[in-house]
Amino acid sequence: RKEVEQDPGPFNVPEGATVAFNCTYSNSASQSFFWYRQDCRKEPKLLMSVYSSGNEDGRFTAQLNRASQYISLLIRDSKLSDSATYLCVVKRNNQGGKLIFGQGTELSVKP
Amino acid sequence: NAGVTQTPKFQVLKTGQSMTLQCAQDMNHEYMSWYRQDPGMGLRLIHYSVGAGITDQGEVPNGYNVSRSTTEDFPLRLLSAAPSQTSVYFCASSGTGGGQGVGYGYTFGSGTRLTVV
Repeated sequence: RKEVEQDPGPFNVPEGATVAFNCTYSNSASQSFFWYRQDCRKEPKLLMSVYSSGNEDGRFTAQLNRASQYISLLIRDSKLSDSATYLCVVKRNNQGGKLIFGQGTELSVKP
Repeated sequence: NAGVTQTPKFQVLKTGQSMTLQCAQDMNHEYMSWYRQDPGMGLRLIHYSVGAGITDQGEVPNGYNVSRSTTEDFPLRLLSAAPSQTSVYFCASSGTGGGQGVGYGYTFGSGTRLTVV
């Protein structure tokens, strides 16, 4: 079993749709959580950190449930430009800041 | 600020050749890491460093060496290239600590696309 698991993709949605990505992690030593976005053949870019209380950044909302070891990302009013692969990432702050990546979920937003 | 700079962007090697992938950051970050990304495998950690003079192995360290003589630079050396090392390599850096108990995210370089024939 992978340490960080994400919904398999691809997700194909129309513009304006709301889409949710889920992620689970198995190692309780994981201490910080992030969602990254990766466009084709480009480097991953930080989309947002995930706070224990949940947090929102415009159309994006992230939630963390430490008890269930579950992370989610909600995208409202999808845009064509949201098409990318979304990576769930955990960081072990007490282990040299190691990042553990999920496989990624591909999102394709269609007109 | 340049952020994280990787060179070269593309490289073709013959089996058995050695080379060094360069990585430099100008953000005074303590944490630096190397990842490789292969289709269907996601990003996997090769080596990482928590500061100058300190390095450690990640998930897939075999065939790679690193050193961290300065805070800014973290080169990755391929000792004897093999076709299995054909991949996209990303270097990343991060500060330590962070606000609200979250921890800082990493900034990635644009990658080196390596082909070993």
